[in-house]
Amino acid sequence: GNSVTQMEGPVTLSEEAFLTINCTYTATGYPSLFWYVQYPGEGLQLLLKATKADDKGSNKGFEATYRKETTSFHLEKGSVQVSDSAVYFCALRKMNTGFQKLVFGTGTRLLVSP
Amino acid sequence: KAGVTQTPRYLIKTRGQQVTLSCSPISGHRSVSWYQQTPGQGLQFLFEYFSETQRNKGNFPGRFSGRQFSNSRSEMNVSTLELGDSALYLCASSPGQGDFYEQYFGPGTRLTVT
Repeated sequence: GNSVTQMEGPVTLSEEAFLTINCTYTATGYPSLFWYVQYPGEGLQLLLKATKADDKGSNKGFEATYRKETTSFHLEKGSVQVSDSAVYFCALRKMNTGFQKLVFGTGTRLLVSP
Repeated sequence: KAGVTQTPRYLIKTRGQQVTLSCSPISGHRSVSWYQQTPGQGLQFLFEYFSETQRNKGNFPGRFSGRQFSNSRSEMNVSTLELGDSALYLCASSPGQGDFYEQYFGPGTRLTVT
């Protein structure tokens, strides 16, 4: 079946440090890949997405590249801020099904200290 | 444009009771999906509705049901509540079905079963 594996958290960084959160997936065919962010007490916000191999999604300084050869979609940011502290979820959606169902990873909590 | 709204935001119920949660999608959105978020199981897909029809269903017992109305608003119902049903229930809406549409999440309803 389809699944997403994320690195365990929490990830603890100092402000302006480089961030990497690893995400790998298992899927039949070529899914769309997403990163969502959840701030305390809120729902999920779409951070970025990629729909085909070698696509790079980017938003608010975050980037992730769809790597078919390694079935990965790692999230990176060059310089994190305290306001980036949140839980980050990697997710996939099967293409060409007509369905919206997302399959999520377990989430990685990021804590950024001043 | 208003975002996805979910009511109530917080709910406390007793084992054996039933509960109904409501979701109002973004105006013009016709697809609504529901997810359950728990610390142990993470984010799991419950069901997906489009044009008042359930299009897809996750692996949950029959106690979990839902429906969508002609104005695209959706409700989900959980009967005979169990302690394990305590969770954050998230609703997401999308303009339509298919690969080109993104999902927008509401803030969730926090259900506590005692």
